[in-house]
This record gives sequence, C-alpha cells and structure tokens, in this order.
Amino acid sequence: GENVEQHPSTLSVQEGDSAVIKCTYSDSASNYFPWYKQELGKRPQLIIDIRSNVGEKKDQRIAVTLNKTAKHFSLHITETQPEDSAVYFCAASKYGNKLVFGAGTILRVKS
Amino acid sequence: DTAVSQTPKYLVTQMGNDKSIKCEQNLGHDTMYWYKQDSKKFLKIMFSYNNKELIINETVPNRFSPKSPDKAHLNLHINSLELGDSAVYFCASSQVSGVSTGELFFGEGSRLTVL
Repeated sequence: GENVEQHPSTLSVQEGDSAVIKCTYSDSASNYFPWYKQELGKRPQLIIDIRSNVGEKKDQRIAVTLNKTAKHFSLHITETQPEDSAVYFCAASKYGNKLVFGAGTILRVKS
Repeated sequence: DTAVSQTPKYLVTQMGNDKSIKCEQNLGHDTMYWYKQDSKKFLKIMFSYNNKELIINETVPNRFSPKSPDKAHLNLHINSLELGDSAVYFCASSQVSGVSTGELFFGEGSRLTVL
C-alpha cells in the first residue's frame, strides 16, 4: 500500500521568512496530493492540493510542487506569519481511494 | 451549519468500559471515515464506508465496530476500552464518485481519555 514520508517533523522560522515542507510517496499510481493544516485543538483543513497532471499550483502565499518521476511533492509558504503556526500534513491517494497521511510537520513562526 | 459534526467532543472513561462516538455529515457525500490521531499527532485511517458499505478496514482491534445506518451517519463503538485507546478520533467525509474534488472534510474531533 501507499506510504508517505514527511520532513522535517518540526520547523521554526522567523516571521517573514519562507518555510518548505517535503513529502515522498511510494505508490506511483497515486494521483492526488493534498495538504492539510491543523491548528492547535482544531480539525485538519485542506489548504491546497495538486493532481498528477499538474507540476505546480499557487494560492497567494502557499504553493505546492510535484515531481512525479521522483515521487515527491513539497509545500512552500512565503512571507510566513504567526497565524501560519500549526501542524501541516501532506497526503497521497489514488483518486477516490483512501488518503494516506504523512506524520506531520509542526511549523512555528517566531515574531 | 456544521458540515461534519461528531459527538461527544470529550469522553473520559475507565478501562474496560464501552463507549460510542456518533458522526453526521450534511454535505451529501457518499463516503465517510474514522481517523485516529494519537499523542504524536499521527493521523491514521481506521475505517471507511461508501454508501453504507464498509470499504476500508485497517488493522484495528475488533473491539472497534463502526456502524453506518445511512450514508449521512457513521458511528464508532468501542468495547472494553484500554489505555492505548486514548486519542482524538476524527470523523470525515468526502465525495468519491461522480464530480468531486476529493477533499476530506473533518469533524471537530472527539477526545477520548481512558483512565
């Protein structure tokens, strides 16, 4: 089955700097790669996703890149703000099948 | 208008007891899930139901029994609770068939503490 690895497990950045979180997946048939953000004590919520026919997607300060050959995808957050502090999860699935999550990255933005 | 709601939010109970968590979604989705989030924040899928049919059953002790009376509801019953069952349990739903974004919508979570 699918296995998703996520790095780093914790990431501290200064406010205004960029943050990058990387994930690799094992199943070459996976074609859907979402990122979820979970604030302390809250539910995970989708922030951005990418499908296998696209290499990069942007939404304001966040972007996701996908390299299908290498089977890895990354989340990029620019101009980080204190409210970006949260746990971020990457995930992968074959469309319509179960979503397998990475172990999560705790992002701390220091002001 | 809560999209995915689960009750109770908090559950504190003794080892050996039986407890249930209920989940309802009003998004019209065809698939519902239970995820377990442990103290290290890892999100692990437990079960998935599509139109009331069990489609995913991960390696979960048979003390855990899901029930889906209709496609808008998915409940989780846990027998003979153990200390290791302490976690946050998230219900989620998505639309798998037809036109769909594939997005998972999570409930607020039910924090279970077994003493």
